[in-house]
This record gives sequence, structure tokens and C-alpha cells, in this order.
Amino acid sequence: DAMVIQNPRYQVTQFGKPVTLSCSQTLNHNVMYWYQQKSSQAPKLLFHYYDKDFNNEADTPDNFQSRRPNTSFCFLDIRSPGLGDAAMYLCATSRQGQVLNEQFFGPGTRLTVL
Amino acid sequence: GEDVEQSLFLSVREGDSSVINCTYTDSSSTYLYWYKQEPGAGLQLLTYIFSNMDMKQDQRLTVLLNKKDKHLSLRIADTQTGDSAIYFCAEPPQGGATNKLIFGSGTLLAVQP
Repeated sequence: DAMVIQNPRYQVTQFGKPVTLSCSQTLNHNVMYWYQQKSSQAPKLLFHYYDKDFNNEADTPDNFQSRRPNTSFCFLDIRSPGLGDAAMYLCATSRQGQVLNEQFFGPGTRLTVL
Repeated sequence: GEDVEQSLFLSVREGDSSVINCTYTDSSSTYLYWYKQEPGAGLQLLTYIFSNMDMKQDQRLTVLLNKKDKHLSLRIADTQTGDSAIYFCAEPPQGGATNKLIFGSGTLLAVQP
């Protein structure tokens, strides 16, 4: 089945220790998104790629970076995690050019910062 | 600023109807969306409505759109325990960036047997 896969599902890191979260997709979608979701809050878009074109949200902290080496993979790098970065991180994909913007989500990676 | 608002929690008994409400900000949105998030899973598109419609029915789901009040609702008939999940309302941001969606904070639907 075509899908969006996130690894790992649970990630524990230490305060200030860099961490990378991974996302892969078999849908061949050209748009990929990273969201941060805290408890009882809306998913907050951090950035998205249209093919290799990177689009950062204005309020995304510099601490958050992303890489997309090819269509299938996208990575979220947190350079120096703080306690406030503990959250669920959701990866999603969609196909550019569709009026109906259906986004396909992975199951998320829950990040704990000790 | 753009804001999509929902109540946080709704509890119903199995077999009753559930109504989840949402208010949104951008009256020029082409589509409005309902996403469902089951425990341990990502969000999944449940249904949507085109902005020139007032109502859309899809089996047990009814979406109502009141453009004047910028109010969107999702009605689930004969609610089942499998409907227990978080439901997110979403709209595209102002300015027509159709790549993106603005999500509400989600409504947790708890279905009591």
C-alpha cells in the first residue's frame, strides 16, 4: 500500500543534543510537509517542500532545519532541542496543482526531550 | 490573523448523533476540510465541502456550511465506538496558497458504549 512512513515512532533525546527525524513516502507526491503538534493544539506547519523548493514558515525557529535529498525522503533536524520542542512531529505529503488539497499524513514521531 | 476554532471535547453515547462545530476566518476558501486522527495514527481526510455548497452528505456524515457566519459543522449519525477520535477542521490560508492548510485545535470525540 502506498503510504507515508515516519521513523522512529518514539524518539528520546537530551537537552541540546541534535536529533533527526525521518519521513519517507511511496505516493510519489511532490509536496512534503513537516508539522509540530503539541497536546490539544492544532498541527503547526514548520515548513514544506515543493519538489526541492524549500518553504519555511515565518515563525519557525532557526533551530529547525530540513533536508529533502530526493522525492521519497524528507528529514527534520533539530539542532539543539529544548524542553519546549517536545511534541509530536507529523510528516505529510500532497500532490501539487490539485484544487482539493488532500494531505496524506504519517503516524508521527513523538519526541521527548530530557 | 487566521484562526480556525473548535471546541476541545465532545462525549456522546453509542447510537446518538454527534455534531462537531468549527469557525473559520477566510471567506474566500474554495474547500473546507474535516480530518480524523485515530489514536496512534496520523490525520486522514474524512470529508470536505466546496464553498459554493451549503450541505454535503456522505453515508453517516453530513457537513453543513454557513458562509455568512463562517461556521462549519460535521454531523455523525448513529455514532459508533469506532468513531472515537480527534476531528480537525481545516481551511487553506488567505491568499490562495493551496499547498497549505490551517488546522483547528481538534475536537476529541469520546463515544460511550
